[in-house]
Amino acid sequence: DTGVSQNPRHKITKRGQNVTFRCDPISEHNRLYWYRQTLGQGPEFLTYFQNEAQLEKSRLLSDRFSAERPKGSFSTLEIQRTEQGDSAMYLCASSPGGNYGYTFGSGTRLTVV
Amino acid sequence: EDKVVQSPLSLVVHEGDTVTLNCSYEVTNFRSLLWYKQEKKAPTFLFMLTSSGIEKKSGRLSSILDKKELFSILNITATQTGDSAVYLCAVGSAGGTSYGKLTFGQGTILTVHP
Repeated sequence: DTGVSQNPRHKITKRGQNVTFRCDPISEHNRLYWYRQTLGQGPEFLTYFQNEAQLEKSRLLSDRFSAERPKGSFSTLEIQRTEQGDSAMYLCASSPGGNYGYTFGSGTRLTVV
Repeated sequence: EDKVVQSPLSLVVHEGDTVTLNCSYEVTNFRSLLWYKQEKKAPTFLFMLTSSGIEKKSGRLSSILDKKELFSILNITATQTGDSAVYLCAVGSAGGTSYGKLTFGQGTILTVHP
């Protein structure tokens, strides 16, 4: 598989539960990004990694959100104590270094009920 | 704060029509402007523009950037039903740790009827 892979594709959770999403980037890409997209809006930047280092984190990312990329390969995004406002599509993208033509995964759609 | 505004928000046309989508931006340390097409899932890359006045073309799609007036347009000629999608404009900034981050507009929903 040569694309960006995200799992799960869909997640329904009850308010207050914790959820974790996984992203497997294109193997030779050292940059990995997380974005969030709500209905009718463009993607909003959440955070990005160069290799295993988290270089930037948006103010949108409250302390309930945490992301890791432990070995510079796959990444996880965890949301603790989910709220209904967290319902969105969570998109992961990767790129080879300082290159903006990055490749998006198909996203994980989160619904908090 | 960086800002990208697209217009119109939605557009309905018939096959064969030509459409122009607009994107204006305000960003510090502009580096590039990108267009993406989003159907049901992930955005797919169309163009990246860094220099003013140079048109990028791919088949029936073309785009141009005006760095003085801070806008870009995406043209689609002889539209087909397969062009129906959300078209996203994004701007990349440079400097510090913002290198690589994109700010997206809200998108233009294009619907092409047969």
